[in-house]
Amino acid sequence: KAGVTQTPRYLIKTRGQQVTLSCSPISGHRSVSWYQQTPGQGLQFLFEYFSETQRNKGNFPGRFSGRQFSNSRSEMNVSTLELGDSALYLCASSLGAGGPADTQYFGPGTRLTVL
Amino acid sequence: DQQVKQNSPSLSVQEGRISILNCDYTNSMFDYFLWYKKYPAEGPTFLISISSIKDKNEDGRFTVFLNKSAKHLSLHIVPSQPGDSAVYFCAASVNKFYFGSGTKLNVKP
Repeated sequence: KAGVTQTPRYLIKTRGQQVTLSCSPISGHRSVSWYQQTPGQGLQFLFEYFSETQRNKGNFPGRFSGRQFSNSRSEMNVSTLELGDSALYLCASSLGAGGPADTQYFGPGTRLTVL
Repeated sequence: DQQVKQNSPSLSVQEGRISILNCDYTNSMFDYFLWYKKYPAEGPTFLISISSIKDKNEDGRFTVFLNKSAKHLSLHIVPSQPGDSAVYFCAASVNKFYFGSGTKLNVKP
């Protein structure tokens, strides 16, 4: 079974631009979550999508948005990029049943650098 | 507000010895706890988990201990191997997952 894939793997943008990241979950998984990883901050939860609906949201500004398609693939968009948005963006998929046993499986991440 | 904290950014252990990674949390509503391991240029991979109704869970060389009264979680790796060298994240869940900042484990041959 193929794992979680994320594209692109690396991205360089300049301040003010916008960016779209893509995530394809494991086949059969209906939940996709997005995280931002920065040095010393661990993984910060951005949002979770389940059946094309945002089910949970973290404490990020409205410049960060996402969506999920009917095939469970998800995209994350960041508008008006700031230097502080430079980070590793990780996508995780799970069955989406919720509850403690709904283990998340992570993709390799997209490394975004904002200049 | 960091609800899950890993206060040791790094840990160095000799091969064959025990590695103990620690994690503290503040939210008593967390009902599930997990440990993930992350190698460079890869996403985190699930390692082991524990429900809040238990205090210990073992899987081979890995054991997770949960002390709810102290709001403390630990991961024991025995014996440690060089291939265990990675960044370890603890996570806690209530509706969504909260991750610590990670501890970089270096197992020396």
